[in-house]
Amino acid sequence: GAGVSQSPSNKVTEKGKDVELRCDPISGHTALYWYRQSLGQGLEFLIYFQGNSAPDKSGLPSDRFSAERTGGSVSTLTIQRTQQEDSAVYLCASSYRGFYNSPLHFGNGTRLTVT
Amino acid sequence: AQTVTQSQPEMSVQEAETVTLSCTYDTSESDYYLFWYKQPPSRQMILVIRQEAYKQQNATENRFSVNFQKAAKSFSLKISDSQLGDAAMYFCAYRGSIQGAQKLVFGQGTRLTINP
Repeated sequence: GAGVSQSPSNKVTEKGKDVELRCDPISGHTALYWYRQSLGQGLEFLIYFQGNSAPDKSGLPSDRFSAERTGGSVSTLTIQRTQQEDSAVYLCASSYRGFYNSPLHFGNGTRLTVT
Repeated sequence: AQTVTQSQPEMSVQEAETVTLSCTYDTSESDYYLFWYKQPPSRQMILVIRQEAYKQQNATENRFSVNFQKAAKSFSLKISDSQLGDAAMYFCAYRGSIQGAQKLVFGQGTRLTINP
């Protein structure tokens, strides 16, 4: 597609429920990233994919968080047993190869609210 | 680990004036890229400008320019002739060539307000 697409745009869920956030990167981009942005804060790295593998999962905050990528394209971030502190905007980005000189292209994010 | 610091949580400027946003970073690498991203209320991160550490010449993109001081590890963004559409959060970001080259490390952001 023309840009990185994320769905849903907004998600409200009850504490303890599981949620899935979807990211559809720019066609041909092999690198995909998930970031979390809490209210008024900077972006916190969660996980990086190169193709279908995730060489860097260092930012996932707990084992309730997991992500997968299939077909080298769409990625899903899953949060199990959501907590109120999980409320944030989850941003996805993709880049052509993941080389340091390749800029990241971001989606509009999913705003997750846990009540 | 690399860190990025933006010491100005908020800045404001009169329309048509010039404003400079500050950014410092810490790294042991010699080659890396630095970026400024803009985030309007739409939430999308928009690349404003980028600078490779090995290039001495400061990058410019129309009204946006940077002052890159490698020895001081400083990377400030200058916006000339500020426009109402420039109002947004601005994030400075670092991407190394060796360690963690895959991910961007972001500062905490500066909220820029443009006064008409």
